[in-house]
Amino acid sequence: NAGVTQTPKFQVLKTGQSMTLQCAQDMNHNSMYWYRQDPGMGLRLIYYSASEGTTDKGEVPNGYNVSRLNKREFSLRLESAAPSQTSVYFCASRDLDPYNEQFFGPGTRLTVL
Amino acid sequence: DQQVKQNSPSLSVQEGRISILNCDYTNSMFDYFLWYKKYPAEGPTFLISISSIKDKNEDGRFTVFLNKSAKHLSLHIVPSQPGDSAVYFCAASEEAGANSKLTFGKGITLSVRP
Repeated sequence: NAGVTQTPKFQVLKTGQSMTLQCAQDMNHNSMYWYRQDPGMGLRLIYYSASEGTTDKGEVPNGYNVSRLNKREFSLRLESAAPSQTSVYFCASRDLDPYNEQFFGPGTRLTVL
Repeated sequence: DQQVKQNSPSLSVQEGRISILNCDYTNSMFDYFLWYKKYPAEGPTFLISISSIKDKNEDGRFTVFLNKSAKHLSLHIVPSQPGDSAVYFCAASEEAGANSKLTFGKGITLSVRP
C-alpha cells in the first residue's frame, strides 16, 4: 500500500496563476481532508470530504476549491494564486474508526511569487 | 480563537530522561484527543490517542494523560531518544463520525540531546 500520495512535491507559481494539487489514497477510506501548514500556525483545515460526493468547508477555505473525483481521489484547486497561499499543503484520509486517526500524505510545498 | 493550545514552542531534554509535552483546550465538546509526530519534509504520523472516557493511555514509551476538568492533556515520553526529536502536534475532535474534523495546536519542537 502506498497510503496517501500527493503530487507535485514542490511547485512555484506566479501571482494569478492557477494549479491543482492532487491527492490519492489506496486504503479505501471514506473521508479525506486538505490542510495547510504555515510556520507557527500548526495545521489548518481547508476543506474536507466526509464521503464520496460530498465536500465541506473547513477553517480557511477562501481562495480554494475542491473536487472529490471518486473514493480514492481528492483534489485542491487554486484558481488565482496569491502570495498568502505560500504554504505546505497536506492531504489526509481516514476510515470510520473510534479514534479519529487520520493518515497524512508527504505534503506539497507551494511558493507563490 | 485558538481552541487547542500548545503554549511552549520548544522543549529540549537529555537522552534517557522524560519528555513532557503539554496541551490545553478550550472547547468542552472535545471528546477525542490525538498526538501526531512530524519530521521535516514528511507528513504527520499518528502517535497515540485518548478518548474522554479515559484519563490515561499507554503505548510503549508513550503515555497520554487527560484531565477533562482542567481541559489539559500531556504526552510523556520515557525514556527519550534522539530519534524522538520532531515536532509534536496535539489535536482534538468533538466526535468520531464521518463528519469528524480535527483541530490542531501549533506544535512543539522536541529536541533530545545525546
